[in-house]
Amino acid sequence: AQTVTQSQPEMSVQEAETVTLSCTYDTSESDYYLFWYKQPPSRQMILVIRQEAYKQQNATENRFSVNFQKAAKSFSLKISDSQLGDAAMYFCAYRSGSGGSNYKLTFGKGTLLTVNP
Amino acid sequence: NAGVTQTPKFRILKIGQSMTLQCTQDMNHNYMYWYRQDPGMGLKLIYYSVGAGITDKGEVPNGYNVSRSTTEDFPLRLELAAPSQTSVYFCASREAGGPGETQYFGPGTRLLVL
Repeated sequence: AQTVTQSQPEMSVQEAETVTLSCTYDTSESDYYLFWYKQPPSRQMILVIRQEAYKQQNATENRFSVNFQKAAKSFSLKISDSQLGDAAMYFCAYRSGSGGSNYKLTFGKGTLLTVNP
Repeated sequence: NAGVTQTPKFRILKIGQSMTLQCTQDMNHNYMYWYRQDPGMGLKLIYYSVGAGITDKGEVPNGYNVSRSTTEDFPLRLELAAPSQTSVYFCASREAGGPGETQYFGPGTRLLVL
């Protein structure tokens, strides 16, 4: 079974600075997808960014980018020019790309990000 | 589009009571999911459905039941509420197609069993 580990329960960053959230995963598969979700105090789960394992290029979405290291099974999220609205719980998630198990997301325990003004 | 909607937002149940958590999506998605989120943890899959009339168990199905009579609705039933079912419940949906398709989440239902 796949597992997702987020080793930083909490992180903090100054407004306008850059922060990196870590995520590692364990899988024997070669075809899979990785996601970062943001959960603000409203509890709504919001997709931040997605990475396909077959793509070598790191995904970017405006101020959000990932560092995907497939051999190391690492998938970190970098937030540049942090804003107060970025404060939230961030979850790393894995989805298999093959077979029946591709229906579900496997989540890490989350990293609580605080943005200081 | 409203996306994925869930009702109620919050509910207190007594041990042994039953209730149904409602989930509706207006995006014509085939796949729907129920997750629970315990404090300090990520989401865990309870049940999922790949289309009307088809449901299957996830990681933590005990104590729950689901049905899928229409594409839009995917209710989650708790028959005999237990304190261990105190959690936040999320419904999600996604389009058919490849596993890279985005999953859209509802706002969650917070359930407290006393």
